[in-house]
Amino acid sequence: LAKTTQPISMDSYEGQEVNITCSHNNIATNDYITWYQQFPSQGPRFIIQGYKTKVTNEVASLFIPADRKSSTLSLPRVSLSDTAVYYCLVGDDSNYQLIWGAGTKLIIKP
Amino acid sequence: SQTIHQWPATLVQPVGSPLSLECTVEGTSNPNLYWYRQAAGRGLQLLFYSVGIGQISSEVPQNLSASRPQDRQFILSSKKLLLSDSGFYLCAWSVRTVNSNQPQHFGDGTRLSIL
Repeated sequence: LAKTTQPISMDSYEGQEVNITCSHNNIATNDYITWYQQFPSQGPRFIIQGYKTKVTNEVASLFIPADRKSSTLSLPRVSLSDTAVYYCLVGDDSNYQLIWGAGTKLIIKP
Repeated sequence: SQTIHQWPATLVQPVGSPLSLECTVEGTSNPNLYWYRQAAGRGLQLLFYSVGIGQISSEVPQNLSASRPQDRQFILSSKKLLLSDSGFYLCAWSVRTVNSNQPQHFGDGTRLSIL
């Protein structure tokens, strides 16, 4: 089971680009990297998933170096509504044993 | 589109009382289903997962149980609640595939308080 390490909290300002890095030194060959966003009293929401290199969708980008021992979630031009907890998870097809850490609490200031 | 419904949103129960939380998924077939518990300020703890009707796997020993009587229905139960069962309970589903990792999709959760 891969374990992830993320910063406990981060602050930024509206309009800035925010990068949250996650380390996963023990990632296995079959593991994917998935990021979720969670607002208070709501279930987590899927943001983006990748295996290697770079993945981009309408809300974020995910950068994964060649050794895959870390990954960086990039949120372009954040707004106040991006204030949330962000979780990085690694896992394979047997999704059942994902270990959820405490995530990164991102606070966006005006 | 797929939707997941979880109820109730909040629940206050006395110690020793029974529990039944229900989760249903619409718009997909043969999903993987999950029950999680989240303590305040912590990550999610997987309690149960199911790959099909009547197939339940438990990750954590506790006084809770889960059942899947229908393909898109997942129920979390307890015969006698403990104070330590308080928490935020989340149901999730994912597409069941063979060769790719699929993200999980969560309901809005049930805030359970045990008095």
